[in-house]
Amino acid sequence: GDSVTQMEGPVTLSEEAFLTINCTYTATGYPSLFWYVQYPGEGLQLLLKATKADDKGSNKGFEATYRKETTSFHLEKGSVQVSDSAVYFCALSEKGGSYIPTFGRGTSLIVHP
Amino acid sequence: NAGVTQTPKFRVLKTGQSMTLLCAQDMNHEYMYWYRQDPGMGLRLIHYSVGEGTTAKGEVPDGYNVSRLKKQNFLLGLESAAPSQTSVYFCASSYGDSRSYGYTFGSGTRLTVV
Repeated sequence: GDSVTQMEGPVTLSEEAFLTINCTYTATGYPSLFWYVQYPGEGLQLLLKATKADDKGSNKGFEATYRKETTSFHLEKGSVQVSDSAVYFCALSEKGGSYIPTFGRGTSLIVHP
Repeated sequence: NAGVTQTPKFRVLKTGQSMTLLCAQDMNHEYMYWYRQDPGMGLRLIHYSVGEGTTAKGEVPDGYNVSRLKKQNFLLGLESAAPSQTSVYFCASSYGDSRSYGYTFGSGTRLTVV
């Protein structure tokens, strides 16, 4: 079956540091890939997505590139801010009877001033 | 736009009590979902619906029931609450093909069963 593996957290960084959160996936077909962000006390929000190989999703300074050859969708940001502190979820959605997505377990990011 | 609205936001139940969580969306989405989120477990799908009048079991359906009588509403019921159902519950909705648009989530219901 489909699966998503994320690096375990928490990831702790200083403000303005470079961020990478690794995500790899296993899928039987050709999925779309997503990153969601959950701020404290809130629901998940779609951060960015990519629907085909080599697509780059981007939003709010975050980027991720769909790498089919390595089955990866790593999240990056060049300079993190304290306000980026949140939990980040990688997910995939594959064509099927119900399009039920598969989520990773989430990676907590803590950014210190 | 309101998006996905969950009520209530917080609730404390005694073991054996019942309750219903309401999810309402105003985006004309076909698909709706109920998840629970527990520390270290990520998101686990409880039940979902692919359209008005339809429901299906997810990964952890035991102890829960759902109904989708109207397209915009998806209700999650706990018939006899147990401490193991203490969790944060999220509702989400999507168009039929979530590969292109992803999900929209509600802000969650924090349920404590004592």
